[in-house]
Amino acid sequence: DIVMTQTPLSLSVTPGQPASISCKSSQSLLHSDGQTYMYWYLQKPGQSPQLLIYEVSSRFSGVPDRFSGSGSGTDFTLKISRVEADDVGVYYCMQGIHLPLTFGGGTKVEIK
Amino acid sequence: EVQLVESGGGLVQPGGSLRLSCAASGFTFSSYDMNWVRQAPGKGLEWLSYISASGSTTFYADSVKGRFTISRDSAKNSLYLQMNSLRAEDTALYYCAKGLRGTRPDYWGQGTLVTVSS
Repeated sequence: DIVMTQTPLSLSVTPGQPASISCKSSQSLLHSDGQTYMYWYLQKPGQSPQLLIYEVSSRFSGVPDRFSGSGSGTDFTLKISRVEADDVGVYYCMQGIHLPLTFGGGTKVEIK
Repeated sequence: EVQLVESGGGLVQPGGSLRLSCAASGFTFSSYDMNWVRQAPGKGLEWLSYISASGSTTFYADSVKGRFTISRDSAKNSLYLQMNSLRAEDTALYYCAKGLRGTRPDYWGQGTLVTVSS
């Protein structure tokens, strides 16, 4: 199984400041079809996960443009350009190239 | 608007069985792959199972293979998870999730809680 390693475990951010979360996969997520199957989700307190970013850098429907994803191969980053109070929760990365789908351990983002 | 509503969770004794359901609306259910994902209390996300849009292909995580069975009924726009031989470690919130491209989840339901305890 592909292991997804997220850092940091937690992040405390001042509103309006940027934030960055890293995710490393144990195998390349680049598929032979040319796509890289890397995903980011946010689970707000008391809610189910919501998709933010798919295929490394594509924002899902309704996701604000302050969220961006980047990376290639095995190293990926989620960036929030200006953190807002509504961005608190646990962020998970997920690989979608091989079954079983596997998630990172999560990064808890709090507001200072 | 995509809606996924899980039901069927509850308290069950170890070794018991439970059938979870997920009612889908707001999209053409028969055209999309579907998944079950769970989250143990205070823990992260664990993918459990996938079924193709046609229902002809299924996959399972090793942790549930041979005990859980995924199925779907496109006439009822519903996804199911039959869970047998339940263990304490199966205690979790169970989510159904629609596939975006293939199995990879985009929309998730609110979850149904399964508690395995004597």
